[in-house]
Amino acid sequence: KAGVTQTPRYLIKTRGQQVTLSCSPISGHRSVSWYQQTPGQGLQFLFEYFSETQRNKGNFPGRFSGRQFSNSRSEMNVSTLELGDSALYLCASSPGTVGIYEQYFGPGTRLTVT
Amino acid sequence: GDSVTQMEGPVTLSEEAFLTINCTYTATGYPSLFWYVQYPGEGLQLLLKATKADDKGSNKGFEATYRKETTSFHLEKGSVQVSDSAVYFCALGDTGANSKLTFGKGITLSVRP
Repeated sequence: KAGVTQTPRYLIKTRGQQVTLSCSPISGHRSVSWYQQTPGQGLQFLFEYFSETQRNKGNFPGRFSGRQFSNSRSEMNVSTLELGDSALYLCASSPGTVGIYEQYFGPGTRLTVT
Repeated sequence: GDSVTQMEGPVTLSEEAFLTINCTYTATGYPSLFWYVQYPGEGLQLLLKATKADDKGSNKGFEATYRKETTSFHLEKGSVQVSDSAVYFCALGDTGANSKLTFGKGITLSVRP
């Protein structure tokens, strides 16, 4: 099976702009989660989507949003970018079934805000 | 809320040395526990998991046992290799019907020949 794919792998944006990141989960997985990784804060949960519905949300401002499509692909959007949004954004997929909790991660999108 | 505490790093070992990375957690209920590994420039790879108390997860020579009484999930390997150099994250899964993971801060392991 193909793994989780994320596009683009690298992005450079300017403060105030917005950005959209994309994630394609493993075939058959219905849950997609997003995480932000920074040297200072480590890995922080952003949100999870399951069957096109947001099932859980972390403690991030409303500038961070996401959605999931009927084919389970997911996008994450960050509006009005700030310097502190520079990070590695990781997408993870899982079957989403109760009792199966391991997640499989993509390679990440490295976002740099200047 | 849920939290994971990992020992401070970095850790530097010689090849074939014994490895222990400590991990303790705070959670309500009985979460699943995981170790993930991140190689430079890559995403996280699932190394091993345990879903209930006294379960032992193992993979590639690494082992960890889910200890409910001490709320711990320490990672061990009997003989490390240079290729084990990476960042290791301990994580716990949410006990609800969702896939959220809570991670520790991670620890960098360097293995010298």
